[in-house]
Amino acid sequence: EVQLVQSGAEVKKPGESLKISCKASGYSFTTYWIGWVRQMPGKGLEWMGFIYPGDSDTRYSPSFQGQVTISADKSISTAHLQWSTLKASDTAMYYCARLAGGGIGAPMNYWGQGTLVTVSS
Amino acid sequence: SYVLTQPPSVSVAPGQTARITCGGNDIGSKSVHWYQQKPGQAPALVVYDDRDRPSGIPERFSGSKSGNTATLTISRVEAGDEADYHCLVWDNSSDHWVFGGGTKLTVL
Repeated sequence: EVQLVQSGAEVKKPGESLKISCKASGYSFTTYWIGWVRQMPGKGLEWMGFIYPGDSDTRYSPSFQGQVTISADKSISTAHLQWSTLKASDTAMYYCARLAGGGIGAPMNYWGQGTLVTVSS
Repeated sequence: SYVLTQPPSVSVAPGQTARITCGGNDIGSKSVHWYQQKPGQAPALVVYDDRDRPSGIPERFSGSKSGNTATLTISRVEAGDEADYHCLVWDNSSDHWVFGGGTKLTVL
């Protein structure tokens, strides 16, 4: 059974750094794209970026390029989303999602439970 | 950049048919995927590649396309179908994913 288990909720101050995680199980981690989707309070879904753990090929949405870093640790089957300098506007729910097979254009067919990030002074 | 347009809300009585649209330029050339998101839950795929259903999704959920519009149709709507619905496409001209703004389905 495919499972994506995300790290717990975070409360941070503006200017702080943060790294959240998504541990995958039940499939070959290196052969499927995995990435992150943001949902701000009361808003829709936004694609942030995806990584192919097999070769670390990473694609970012233009809206998030340079704002976050997506990485994957093959040794522990875990994807990460990282900020170096958080802003209040980063307050949101963040979901990890795995693409179905067939390349980066395949649909997101498995989702984590979400990590709520709150940035407030 | 590519834009997908969904109505903010759709309301339907139990037992009736709900139709949720997703409009986009040249959407006919793209594969459209639909997600259901209930309050406090992660999205769940209900239709992929325009009209296919993942295992476990009832036949009441169906997808179609015509012109510049894709449609998610939910037949014999139940109270448990009340949720936000999001469409998604891969825009291969820009190599980016694009979500629609989401539609809140209310079961009256």
